Amino acid sequence: QKEVEQNSGPLSVPEGAIASLNCTYSDRGSQSFFWYRQYSGKSPELIMFIYSNGDKEDGRFTAQLNKASQYVSLLIRDSQPSDSATYLCAVKSPGNQFYFGTGTSLTVIP
Amino acid sequence: GAVVSQHPSRVICKSGTSVKIECRSLDFQATTMFWYRQFPKQSLMLMATSNEGSKATYEQGVEKDKFLINHASLTLSTLTVTSAHPEDSSFYICSARGGARDNEQFFGPGTRLTVL
Repeated sequence: QKEVEQNSGPLSVPEGAIASLNCTYSDRGSQSFFWYRQYSGKSPELIMFIYSNGDKEDGRFTAQLNKASQYVSLLIRDSQPSDSATYLCAVKSPGNQFYFGTGTSLTVIP
Repeated sequence: GAVVSQHPSRVICKSGTSVKIECRSLDFQATTMFWYRQFPKQSLMLMATSNEGSKATYEQGVEKDKFLINHASLTLSTLTVTSAHPEDSSFYICSARGGARDNEQFFGPGTRLTVL
């Protein structure tokens, strides 16, 4: 079983819609969770992190964490074509190691 | 976020030559640096983890004699691809964490290596 799992997609949403990206992790003791955005040909960029159960909002982005279900998600409201990218979920384990998912490709259709 | 730089951003070399890529943390002390490789349309693959002042830990399947990693200071790590071959052509990305930035990992802009 992989440490971090994501649906590879592609996920397509129309402009203005909500994009929902999901991630599950295997180590129940993990405490820190991150979402990175990677545009084609570029390196990943950290866009959100969340440490506590519940929601964390930053502009159009909302990260949601449910430790009981070992599930973390990223919602993008009012999706824009510029949001089209691959979104990587990362989890920091109790052993202080980072594990990345394989990424979900998002396309926002104008 | 924290700033991590890489140099060069793009390099083309002949088969059999060696290429050095530098990774620098510009505004924090990076006690740990990571080197990744990414082939087109594929996910990040961790190659090795290096802690300042100690030998790098390589992931399974990564040849340590081919990919030499040096992390001699808290702001600089280098990856040298020795005797490069066309199959080594890839996007190499470093990331760093440490100090006040230890709970997050920040990526450099990447280096695109093309071996002819």
